[in-house]
Amino acid sequence: GQQVMQIPQYQHVQEGEDFTTYCNSSTTLSNIQWYKQRPGGHPVFLIQLVKSGEVKKQKRLTFQFGEAKKNSSLHITATQTTDVGTYFCAGPNSGGYQKVTFGIGTKLQVIP
Amino acid sequence: DAGVIQSPRHEVTEMGQEVTLRCKPISGHDYLFWYRQTMMRGLELLIYFNNNVPIDDSGMPEDRFSAKMPNASFSTLKIQPSEPRDSAVYFCASSFGSEQFFGPGTRLTVL
Repeated sequence: GQQVMQIPQYQHVQEGEDFTTYCNSSTTLSNIQWYKQRPGGHPVFLIQLVKSGEVKKQKRLTFQFGEAKKNSSLHITATQTTDVGTYFCAGPNSGGYQKVTFGIGTKLQVIP
Repeated sequence: DAGVIQSPRHEVTEMGQEVTLRCKPISGHDYLFWYRQTMMRGLELLIYFNNNVPIDDSGMPEDRFSAKMPNASFSTLKIQPSEPRDSAVYFCASSFGSEQFFGPGTRLTVL
């Protein structure tokens, strides 16, 4: 079935450094979603990308969808301790448009 | 809106016991999802409903797991009998569009 690969699985950065996580699919995605889960919390929706080559920004977060719609990235500029958590990408599953497959997630630690 | 509500938040039980997890989705949402999260396997979709009807239960690990949605405001996930390998955080999520809203989860420990 549909698989969404995410790298890296873990990332430690100094506060103020940038951070990027990547998501790759073997098949073309109609859209991709990104979620954030704080330690001990639940996944919270961040954004959805739909168009080829789309770039969206939310303050220090920049989301990109590849031209071929098979990969995506999330970049955080100048990380802060509030960015700590696990970032998941999720792509639609062929089983149904509402069914998504989550990547394994990238766990971000920010060292103050 | 209170968001997705799950109960209990924590459950500790012994192997062989029946466990029932409960979920109240956000009012007006027509999709409901049950996920299981573990360190080893990440976030796995177990089953999802559309307008109270189960659409895809291919993620349900085995017959010990069952889920129901008797009405638009309530769903249950039951494990009978429970086993230690069922220990995980179980999330319920609901949606109207593509964005899924997750509940706080139930942390299940089976001894």
